[in-house]
Amino acid sequence: AQSVTQLDSQVPVFEEAPVELRCNYSSSVSVYLFWYVQYPNQGLQLLLKYLSGSTLVKGINGFEAEFNKSQTSFHLRKPSVHISDTAEYFCAVTSTGGFKTIFGAGTRLFVKA
Amino acid sequence: GAGVSQTPSNKVTEKGKYVELRCDPISGHTALYWYRQSLGQGPEFLIYFQGTGAADDSGLPNDRFFAVRPEGSVSTLKIQRTERGDSAVYLCASSPQGGGNSPLHFGNGTRLTVT
Repeated sequence: AQSVTQLDSQVPVFEEAPVELRCNYSSSVSVYLFWYVQYPNQGLQLLLKYLSGSTLVKGINGFEAEFNKSQTSFHLRKPSVHISDTAEYFCAVTSTGGFKTIFGAGTRLFVKA
Repeated sequence: GAGVSQTPSNKVTEKGKYVELRCDPISGHTALYWYRQSLGQGPEFLIYFQGTGAADDSGLPNDRFFAVRPEGSVSTLKIQRTERGDSAVYLCASSPQGGGNSPLHFGNGTRLTVT
């Protein structure tokens, strides 16, 4: 079984500052990793994914994440945030041989002017 | 193209009543998932369909919950004898094949409130 821990429930940050949203996972098998974003009053949408290959993956809206197998982490980063990045961000994991995606509890990013 | 559509967007019902929540996936997507999201939590897996069959229903909390997908497209989540603890946002997602490397495409959810 897999589990996902998002270490921060809320992250307030000023506009144009960098941000890192932390995610750790637990699994006894190889996994695929995802970040989803949920903007206010919208459904979840894929931000980026790690399937294989380069451990640094780039997604939409300038976000990137790095897969660290030894630390079982998949932290999300953006060098300069905008007001429009205010949303809830979910880290998720699926085993490579499975189909069930397990989500973390979410991190609410609040960007202040 | 059209995304995943869920109806109704909001449903208020009294404790003990029966409700049906509908999901219309993206055309051609064979995999369909139901999740439940409670306040302050991430989506919690309920059931996964591959085509018409429920490949994994291990997330359904009890036998009051049931889901069908008779023609391999539209799915209905059915909840009998609703309880206040069933109040949550019910999310539907679809993907082209359903493998672990296939991202999920979510609908906007149905917010269920049991009074």
